[in-house]
Amino acid sequence: KAGVTQTPRYLIKTRGQQVTLSCSPISGHRSVSWYQQTPGQGLQFLFEYFSETQRNKGNFPGRFSGRQFSNSRSEMNVSTLELGDSALYLCASSLVRQADSYEQYFGPGTRLTVT
Amino acid sequence: KNQVEQSPQSLIILEGKNCTLQCNYTVSPFSNLRWYKQDTGRGPVSLTIMTFSENTKSNGRYTATLDADTKQSSLHITASQLSDSASYICVVSERSNYQLIWGAGTKLIIKP
Repeated sequence: KAGVTQTPRYLIKTRGQQVTLSCSPISGHRSVSWYQQTPGQGLQFLFEYFSETQRNKGNFPGRFSGRQFSNSRSEMNVSTLELGDSALYLCASSLVRQADSYEQYFGPGTRLTVT
Repeated sequence: KNQVEQSPQSLIILEGKNCTLQCNYTVSPFSNLRWYKQDTGRGPVSLTIMTFSENTKSNGRYTATLDADTKQSSLHITASQLSDSASYICVVSERSNYQLIWGAGTKLIIKP
């Protein structure tokens, strides 16, 4: 079966702009989680969506938002981009809630560069 | 405070050798513990998931152990290969808030 897909794979934006990233989970999966990973750092949790509802949120400013559609596809939006937002953004899908004892599958990520 | 600590921070070994990575956690209430392998610039890939009742779980040359009493886990890699060079991340699931607590990872380098 197809894996988790993320688009675009690479993106270059200017400070102050906004960006929308997309994630298509594995078919049948209802949970989509988003993570930020900056160079040399661990994964920082942004939020989890399950059945179109945000279930958990990490410690990020309100500039970071997301949503999930009825087909479980998810989008993440970052407004008023800052240089520090340059990172690899990872999306992960799971059949059930991400913290349940079921595997979570990650996409290849979107590399965002803010100049 | 829920925390996951991994050691060592980095490790260099020769190809063919074995190694063991450590994970200590203070997460409560505990749901499960996972080990992921992450190649540079790519998404993590799950190696194992262990629940409270599981002590050992293997995935090929990878064997994870869990001691829920001491809140410790280890990941043992047998007969290392160059492709094992990656970061290995320990993640603990917290049951009441459905949160995943991520460790900082151990960067493993395999040298020929």
